[in-house]
Formats: sequence, C-alpha cells, structure tokens
Amino acid sequence: KAGVTQTPRYLIKTRGQQVTLSCSPISGHRSVSWYQQTPGQGLQFLFEYFSETQRNKGNFPGRFSGRQFSNSRSEMNVSTLELGDSALYLCASSFGTGGGFIVEAFFGQGTRLTVV
Amino acid sequence: GIQVEQSPPDLILQEGANSTLRCNFSDSVNNLQWFHQNPWGQLINLFYIPSGTKQNGRLSATTVATERYSLLYISSSQTTDSGVYFCAVGGYNQGGKLIFGQGTELSVKP
Repeated sequence: KAGVTQTPRYLIKTRGQQVTLSCSPISGHRSVSWYQQTPGQGLQFLFEYFSETQRNKGNFPGRFSGRQFSNSRSEMNVSTLELGDSALYLCASSFGTGGGFIVEAFFGQGTRLTVV
Repeated sequence: GIQVEQSPPDLILQEGANSTLRCNFSDSVNNLQWFHQNPWGQLINLFYIPSGTKQNGRLSATTVATERYSLLYISSSQTTDSGVYFCAVGGYNQGGKLIFGQGTELSVKP
C-alpha cells in the first residue's frame, strides 16, 4: 500500500512570506502528526490531528498552524516566515483511536524548507 | 514532559563489527519506536517495541519498560547501516505525539 506522501519535497521562500505543506497519510490512518527537524533542536513535535480536530500541540508560536480534512489529508501553514523556520518538516501517520491509543507511526519523506 | 536520552551520540565501526545503541526515557510510555534516518531525511521504521524483544535480520531490539530503557543491537554491521538512529517514545494520553532522542550517528567504515 502507498506510504505517507508529503508535498512539495523542497521549497525556498523569502522572509515574511507564508507557506503551506501537505501530507497524505496511509489509507485508513486517521492520525496525522507534524514534526520540525533542525540541526540545533533535533526533532520536535508540532501538532497532531485526529478526525479533523487538533488533539495535541507542541511548543511552537501561533505562526504555525494546521488542519485536517475529512479524507485525513493534512496541511500545515507557517505565516510570516523567519530564517529560523528553515528546517525539514516531517509528517507521520498512524492508526489512532478516539481514545488516544496509538500504534506504530510511519513517516513521509519530508519537506525541506529554506527561508532566505 | 518525558525526556529521552540516547547514547552514544556518535559511533564509528569497522564493517562486520557489532554495536549496541541505548535509549533511556524518564517516564512510563505506551509507544517506543526505533528509526533510521536515511541520507534524504526520511525516517525508516526499524521497530515498534513498547516492551519485549524483537528481531529483524541483523537488527534486534529490547525494551525493558519497568526500567525505562531500550536497546538496539546491530550485528555484522555494513556500510549501508551508516546514518542516524533515533529512538522515539509516546506517553499515555498523549495521542500520536512522539518525543525523540537526539539520535546516535553511526558511521561504518569498509
């Protein structure tokens, strides 16, 4: 079956612009989580969506937002880009349950964002 | 929140050698996964192992949940094993949130 698909793979944006990244989870998976990876901070959790609702949120400013559609596809948006937002953004999908029990998470190939 | 510590941070091996990577975590977890990050950045699933022992070819993993640690064993290492290995844990009532360690960078020399 198809894996987790993230688009675009690479992106270059200018400071102050906004960007939208997309993630299509594995068919049947209802939980989508987003992570930011930078050399200095490592892999950090941004937020998780389950059944179109944000279920969990990491410690990031409000410029980082997301949403999930009825087909479980998710988008994340970063507004007013800063140089420090340059990172690899990874999306994970898992077969979560409404009770919060999560099994194995699978990651997409990531979107590498460069802010200049 | 849960803290995750991996050791060693770096490891250099000759091809054919064995290695053990360790992951310590600070609280009870209901999810623990080991990943290998390929040169293009994708996290490749190695093991989903909140407890017990699993083996997959030359790789095996053990998690002792009561003592809050997990070990990843790589036997007869190959140059293709090079890369960064991450341990990630999920806490109870945390949904899909995974907390990652800082990784172990493995370099296998021919």
